[in-house]
Amino acid sequence: EAGVAQSPRYKIIEKRQSVAFWCNPISGHATLYWYQQILGQGPKLLIQFQNNGVVDDSQLPKDRFSAERLKGVDSTLKIQPAKLEDSAVYLCASRPGLAGSDTQYFGPGTRLTVL
Amino acid sequence: AQSVTQLGSHVSVSEGALVLLRCNYSSSVPPYLFWYVQYPNQGLQLLLKYTTGATLVKGINGFEAEFKKSETSFHLTKPSAHMSDAAEYFCAVRMNGQNFVFGPGTRLSVLP
Repeated sequence: EAGVAQSPRYKIIEKRQSVAFWCNPISGHATLYWYQQILGQGPKLLIQFQNNGVVDDSQLPKDRFSAERLKGVDSTLKIQPAKLEDSAVYLCASRPGLAGSDTQYFGPGTRLTVL
Repeated sequence: AQSVTQLGSHVSVSEGALVLLRCNYSSSVPPYLFWYVQYPNQGLQLLLKYTTGATLVKGINGFEAEFKKSETSFHLTKPSAHMSDAAEYFCAVRMNGQNFVFGPGTRLSVLP
């Protein structure tokens, strides 16, 4: 079974530029998450999708971050414009459904450096 | 709001020694509990999880964790550390209907 795929793996941009990340979850997984992991910290949830609908985006900085999962499969996360403090690893994860005990499966992440 | 604490941001052990990584959570109602490992430049990989039933949970790579409700703890142990265990370890909790909350992580170093 293929895992969660993310691209690109690394991205370097200058502040005020735009950037987009892509995630393809495990086939059949209805729930998809985007996390931000700043160096030395645990992952922080940005947004959760159930199929193509947003379940929780309360911690997403909506003035600059946006995300979509139009067909309920793959997803994109965009930052526009980027700030220095956005430098982090952006992790995508998926789960089969919403049951409490279901395991999350993580992709390898995209490491963003904002100069 | 749910919170997770991991005592010790960095733990060093000798190869062959006991590994003990601590995790405490804040909920009065037992949540679902998880331990993840993260190797450099990789995503998080599930080591083990507690949902219901037996409080001692065995995971991959010889790790195990014990859920102690009275102490609101879910400490991770391994009897004998191996060099390949060097990584970052994250404890996470989830209440039903809520999202995952991760601890700050503990970096494990294994000395030869």
